[in-house]
Amino acid sequence: AQSVTQLGSHVSVSEGALVLLRCNYSSSVPPYLFWYVQYPNQGLQLLLKYTSAATLVKGINGFEAEFKKSETSFHLTKPSAHMSDAAEYFCAVINNAGNMLTFGGGTRLMVKP
Amino acid sequence: EAGVAQSPRYKIIEKRQSVAFWCNPISGHATLYWYQQILGQGPKLLIQFQNNGVVDDSQLPKDRFSAERLKGVDSTLKIQPAKLEDSAVYLCASSLIPDQHTDTQYFGPGTRLTVL
Repeated sequence: AQSVTQLGSHVSVSEGALVLLRCNYSSSVPPYLFWYVQYPNQGLQLLLKYTSAATLVKGINGFEAEFKKSETSFHLTKPSAHMSDAAEYFCAVINNAGNMLTFGGGTRLMVKP
Repeated sequence: EAGVAQSPRYKIIEKRQSVAFWCNPISGHATLYWYQQILGQGPKLLIQFQNNGVVDDSQLPKDRFSAERLKGVDSTLKIQPAKLEDSAVYLCASSLIPDQHTDTQYFGPGTRLTVL
């Protein structure tokens, strides 16, 4: 079985501040991990993915995430938030034992001017 | 490159009515997915097709939901009869490479269904 837990359904940061969105996974086999972003009234868009190569993964729009096996975590970060980053962010996991992408409950990021 | 197309964007029906959603994936993409996203939750996979065959429909409520992908291109998802708890956004996604678990899934804008 596999699952992801996103801590904090809502996160608020000031423009220019560090963004940290938390994701912890549970998987019986080595996982592949993803972060997706969903803007209002739009579909999900892939930000980045971990596929067992480098543990620090860089994505689009200045986001990055680090796979930490010891902590079973895959937190998403961005050094400086922009107003345009306001959206809902989803962490997801899949493993080689199955073909089902399992999503977390999502974290809504709000950016204050 | 055109993205995943879905229609309609919005649908309001009464319970016990039937409804159908349509999805046209990115050209050449072998795998097509239907997800249900209930308000405040992450998407949940309903069914996955590879070409015109079903790969996984373990989470599809088969007593009321059905889906098909004739000719391995576009797909329809049907609910008959609808229940109040079916109110959600139905997302379609596609990916290029068959049997590649890490291949990127590209999502359409979704159809927002409201059941009254």
